Amino acid sequence: DTAVSQTPKYLVTQMGNDKSIKCEQNLGHDTMYWYKQDSKKFLKIMFSYNNKELIINETVPNRFSPKSPDKAHLNLHINSLELGDSAVYFCASQQGSGANVLTFGAGSRLTVL
Amino acid sequence: SQQGEEDPQALSIQEGENATMNCSYKTSINNLQWYRQNSGRGLVHLILIRSNEREKHSGRLRVTLDTSKKSSSLLITASRAADTASYFCATGDSSYKLIFGSGTRLLVRP
Repeated sequence: DTAVSQTPKYLVTQMGNDKSIKCEQNLGHDTMYWYKQDSKKFLKIMFSYNNKELIINETVPNRFSPKSPDKAHLNLHINSLELGDSAVYFCASQQGSGANVLTFGAGSRLTVL
Repeated sequence: SQQGEEDPQALSIQEGENATMNCSYKTSINNLQWYRQNSGRGLVHLILIRSNEREKHSGRLRVTLDTSKKSSSLLITASRAADTASYFCATGDSSYKLIFGSGTRLLVRP
């Protein structure tokens, strides 16, 4: 079984559309993250939830809204997609708090046309 | 702002040679971690070194940490073609944040 699974793996859409990416972890971890990796491979933290509570919210446009229905799931909804949103989005999970080891999903490549 | 900076950005070596990558960071840390990313895949954790440790080994990997210089190095000995990947350092403090650098792209030529 995949520890951290993301869907979809690839997403191609038009500017202005709304899309969601889903993430699930079966590791029993308390904390989940969304990271964005741009074309230069720079990985930037976006959001983090600990036991369904938002604990990190970096400078991300309001068009991005995370939702955590339970501690095993963290979804990312993006409204009014823009060309600059094209990137690979990674979900990750972590046990406990602090800077512990992250387990990453395989990534979701979003292309906005 | 970006915390870790890897150096070099890209490295090409022959199979069997050693590969050394460096990471510099700016603020106080609890630990420093190294991750590998194969093309089109997610990041995989390699090794974690705590701020009170100076050196750590795992198989062919050797990591050093110099907190006075705010730098770390990752050495891969006897490299293999399968080691071709991007390598990232990540620094953690007392918060939940793990901040990644921009990575070193390693190419191991057979």
